[in-house]
Amino acid sequence: EAQVTQNPRYLITVTGKKLTVTCSQNMNHEYMSWYRQDPGLGLRQIYYSMNVEVTDKGDVPEGYKVSRKEKRNFPLILESPSPNQTSLYFCASSTGTSGWDTQYFGPGTRLTVL
Amino acid sequence: GENVEQHPSTLSVQEGDSAVIKCTYSDSASNYFPWYKQELGKRPQLIIDIRSNVGEKKDQRIAVTLNKTAKHFSLHITETQPEDSAVYFCATGGGGADGLTFGKGTHLIIQP
Repeated sequence: EAQVTQNPRYLITVTGKKLTVTCSQNMNHEYMSWYRQDPGLGLRQIYYSMNVEVTDKGDVPEGYKVSRKEKRNFPLILESPSPNQTSLYFCASSTGTSGWDTQYFGPGTRLTVL
Repeated sequence: GENVEQHPSTLSVQEGDSAVIKCTYSDSASNYFPWYKQELGKRPQLIIDIRSNVGEKKDQRIAVTLNKTAKHFSLHITETQPEDSAVYFCATGGGGADGLTFGKGTHLIIQP
């Protein structure tokens, strides 16, 4: 089954404790992206990747890191989480390298930073 | 960068009536206009999209119209049903930046 998976689905952590949210897709997509969703603000892009070893900042990259060592995986890293990073996070993948096509979203990761 | 405005933020309609959600955008180079539906607790899913070489696209009860001159596009849902209740997001792509820029969403409520 074609899908995007994320882990963990729920995470409660404390300020400053490094964490990683994994994202994996089995559709051989070039393009992958991370969004955060906050009430009243919609979906805002954090980072994206057009291919292996190619990543770039989105609209709200501060406090986040990503890597793309393999085509299928695109982890999101919070080196020192803060309460303002409490949010619902979605990973997505898309055909092509620009992201201007159907984006397939993962199930989401609800993060709470205390 | 691109700015996408979506209206209204909340829309309540009677079951069976039509619903219209509108988005405006700022980047005239944008040429891809998708709409996503997000049910409560679920992930966003594409329901319909349009590219700038067409003005309208239909898929059963949903349709999207595009006016590139005015830089706005709309989602039309006819004969609304309870399962249409969700948050709907418009987005644009193909402009100066990679990826999609999303509107803030419209919470559509279908009243029985």
